[in-house]
Amino acid sequence: NAGVTQTPKFRVLKTGQSMTLLCAQDMNHEYMYWYRQDPGMGLRLIHYSVGEGTTAKGEVPDGYNVSRLKKQNFLLGLESAAPSQTSVYFCASSYSTGGQETQYFGPGTRLLVL
Amino acid sequence: DAKTTQPTSMDCAEGRAANLPCNHSTISGNEYVYWYRQIHSQGPQYIIHGLKNNETNEMASLIITEDRKSSTLILPHATLRDTAVYYCIVRGWNFNKFYFGSGTKLNVKP
Repeated sequence: NAGVTQTPKFRVLKTGQSMTLLCAQDMNHEYMYWYRQDPGMGLRLIHYSVGEGTTAKGEVPDGYNVSRLKKQNFLLGLESAAPSQTSVYFCASSYSTGGQETQYFGPGTRLLVL
Repeated sequence: DAKTTQPTSMDCAEGRAANLPCNHSTISGNEYVYWYRQIHSQGPQYIIHGLKNNETNEMASLIITEDRKSSTLILPHATLRDTAVYYCIVRGWNFNKFYFGSGTKLNVKP
């Protein structure tokens, strides 16, 4: 199993450009998440999904959109990139049984917005 | 979800036990304590979790106080590869959010 994979690994954008980050998991997990991590800080939740076709806002959703058309994929879109969105983006997936949940993380996508 | 408080950084000698504390004084009865770590800039890695009882796995031990207001993650024989930021997270079973906070930077020294 590959676990959680993210594409691309690194990207440079100019202000105003758009892009989509792809997250894929092969563990048949229901839940998927997008986080961002700024230098010296912990992870902050952007959006999450509790199943195919459903998404919800997290702690810092502004400037991002997401889609979960297939159970194994979770897309994060930036419609008009801003320098404040320079960050490392992590995707995670999980299953939940009896109130317990373990999240499995991807390797991250480093985004630089100029 | 309850908030957690962790020291900013800690040092540990290689081969010795590393004891990482976490305070979660507002924890509710159905909230679990989770520990993750992040090595350099990699994705966070699950370590262990627990509700009331102490837990042990191949990576670490988790000691939760009787009143559940604090916990300690124990790495029994720290190695240089255990140098990482360790996050203590408390969350309830019906929430789908992890609040990572700033974590504790563990420096394992030769």
